[in-house]
Amino acid sequence: DTGVSQNPRHKITKRGQNVTFRCDPISEHNRLYWYRQTLGQGPEFLTYFQNEAQLEKSRLLSDRFSAERPKGSFSTLEIQRTEQGDSAMYLCASSSTGVNTEAFFGQGTRLTVV
Amino acid sequence: AQSVTQLDSQVPVFEEAPVELRCNYSSSVSVYLFWYVQYPNQGLQLLLKYLSGSTLVESINGFEAEFNKSQTSFHLRKPSVHISDTAEYFCAVRPSSGYSTLTFGKGTMLLVSP
Repeated sequence: DTGVSQNPRHKITKRGQNVTFRCDPISEHNRLYWYRQTLGQGPEFLTYFQNEAQLEKSRLLSDRFSAERPKGSFSTLEIQRTEQGDSAMYLCASSSTGVNTEAFFGQGTRLTVV
Repeated sequence: AQSVTQLDSQVPVFEEAPVELRCNYSSSVSVYLFWYVQYPNQGLQLLLKYLSGSTLVESINGFEAEFNKSQTSFHLRKPSVHISDTAEYFCAVRPSSGYSTLTFGKGTMLLVSP
């Protein structure tokens, strides 16, 4: 296993278009997280899955955003009707169950909305 | 809720000089503490973590951080930096009991010049 994988690495889209990102976590990890990182800021939490259940969503996750994790494996994050303010790096992380386990991050998908 | 303050957005330093990147946190509960490093256009990599035990933790590449509960700090230090240490460094916290996601600081850009 080579770690958390995210695709695509870069995405340029026109305002108003829909985009979808994919995250493949480390295979034995049952927790999966999405974060958003804008320029000059640290990562901000968007949503969290344990297996296939979406257990927590940040207020940053507007109704244009939807995330899924079918069968508790890979996850997708879709943004509908993209806006220029959605331009950011979208990071996925995974971890195993347990209080003192660490999260491993993917390389991120950089979204540019023009 | 937790918050993390990284007091310096940018730290310029010459190669082989010592460096300290400051991190202070606020939390009403006990926390675990982390430092992550991010190279340009890459995801985050865990550098070191404090969960319990010795308050001084070390990474494999010469960084160390000391947990100071009374000062609510977790500063990162290295006695002699290399050009390759140029990157953005993020301090993060997570409650030590129950489940919660990471809360990150805004990051400190370490710029090492020859």
